[in-house]
Amino acid sequence: KAGVTQTPRYLIKTRGQQVTLSCSPISGHRSVSWYQQTPGQGLQFLFEYFSETQRNKGNFPGRFSGRQFSNSRSEMNVSTLELGDSALYLCASSPTTPSSYEQYFGPGTRLTVT
Amino acid sequence: SQQGEEDPQALSIQEGENATMNCSYKTSINNLQWYRQNSGRGLVHLILIRSNEREKHSGRLRVTLDTSKKSSSLLITASRAADTASYFCATDPRGSQGNLIFGKGTKLSVKP
Repeated sequence: KAGVTQTPRYLIKTRGQQVTLSCSPISGHRSVSWYQQTPGQGLQFLFEYFSETQRNKGNFPGRFSGRQFSNSRSEMNVSTLELGDSALYLCASSPTTPSSYEQYFGPGTRLTVT
Repeated sequence: SQQGEEDPQALSIQEGENATMNCSYKTSINNLQWYRQNSGRGLVHLILIRSNEREKHSGRLRVTLDTSKKSSSLLITASRAADTASYFCATDPRGSQGNLIFGKGTKLSVKP
């Protein structure tokens, strides 16, 4: 089975711009979770989608949004970028509930905001 | 805020030695998972242990769970240089609707 893929792998944006990141889960997985990883805050949960519905959301401002398509592929969007949004963004897929099964992580998208 | 806290934050050992990492959490959980992350890459799942289990093994890995102390430990036996990575515990607090909360990790360095 192909693993979780994320595009792009690296991204440099300017403050105030917006960005869209993409995640393709493992075939057959219906749950996609997104995480932000920074040296200071560690791994923080952004949101989880299951069958095109946002099932859980972390404590992030409304500038962070996402969606999931019928083929389970997911995108996350960050609007009005701030310097503090510089991070590694990881997505993970699992068959159903993330806590009940191992999650398969993609390689991440490293976003740098200047 | 983080649910799990790993201890120590960093650990440096020689190849062949055992490495023990601990994770403490605050609220009741359904499951606890351990993941490994090589520098700047995605995480790799190691073990999932359920709240009604006390110990689990996978190859050179041994995980214990003590729900009364709200703690877990990950033991890597006969470590290798390739085990150099950050190790995270992840918990799903009851009422969290199934999403995982990660600790800040233990950075393990295994010297050849």
